Amino acid sequence: KAGVTQTPRYLIKTRGQQVTLSCSPISGHRSVSWYQQTPGQGLQFLFEYFSETQRNKGNFPGRFSGRQFSNSRSEMNVSTLELGDSALYLCASSEVTRETEAFFGQGTRLTVV
Amino acid sequence: AQSVTQPDIHITVSEGASLELRCNYSYGATPYLFWYVQSPGQGLQLLLKYFSGDTLVQGIKGFEAEFKRSQSSFNLRKPSVHWSDAAEYFCVTNNAGNMLTFGGGTRLMVKP
Repeated sequence: KAGVTQTPRYLIKTRGQQVTLSCSPISGHRSVSWYQQTPGQGLQFLFEYFSETQRNKGNFPGRFSGRQFSNSRSEMNVSTLELGDSALYLCASSEVTRETEAFFGQGTRLTVV
Repeated sequence: AQSVTQPDIHITVSEGASLELRCNYSYGATPYLFWYVQSPGQGLQLLLKYFSGDTLVQGIKGFEAEFKRSQSSFNLRKPSVHWSDAAEYFCVTNNAGNMLTFGGGTRLMVKP
């Protein structure tokens, strides 16, 4: 079956702009979570959506938001971009329980200039 | 919330040598522990997982890990490293749902 698809793969934005990233999970997976990866901070959890509801949220400012649609596809939005938002943004989909594997997309590389 | 720590940022081993990557986890009633590998252009891939049962778990690509509650460790091992194993390895715990907490990662370099 198809894996997790993230679009776009690369983005260059200007400071102050906003950006929307998209994630299509594996068919049948209802949980989608988002992560930010930077050289300095490593991989950090942003938020998780399950059945269109935000179930968990990491320690990021309100400029970072997301949503999930009825087909489980998810988007994350970053408003008022800062240089420090430059990162690889990864999306992971999984089934419901904590024991199951999270499948990751290839990520979106965001560069803020 | 449970967390994981990887003490080694970089490790270099010779091809064919054995490998052990360290991971320590914070106290938790039921640890949900994973090892993921990230190769350039390959994304993150699950190597193995542990949440109960036999404390020695086998994974893909010849990797295994042993859960030791007395030492709060979940170290990853491989008896003979191949050049293709060069990558970054993450010890991960799942605190709730699909909310993963990653260790800082260990970058493995393999000498020919």
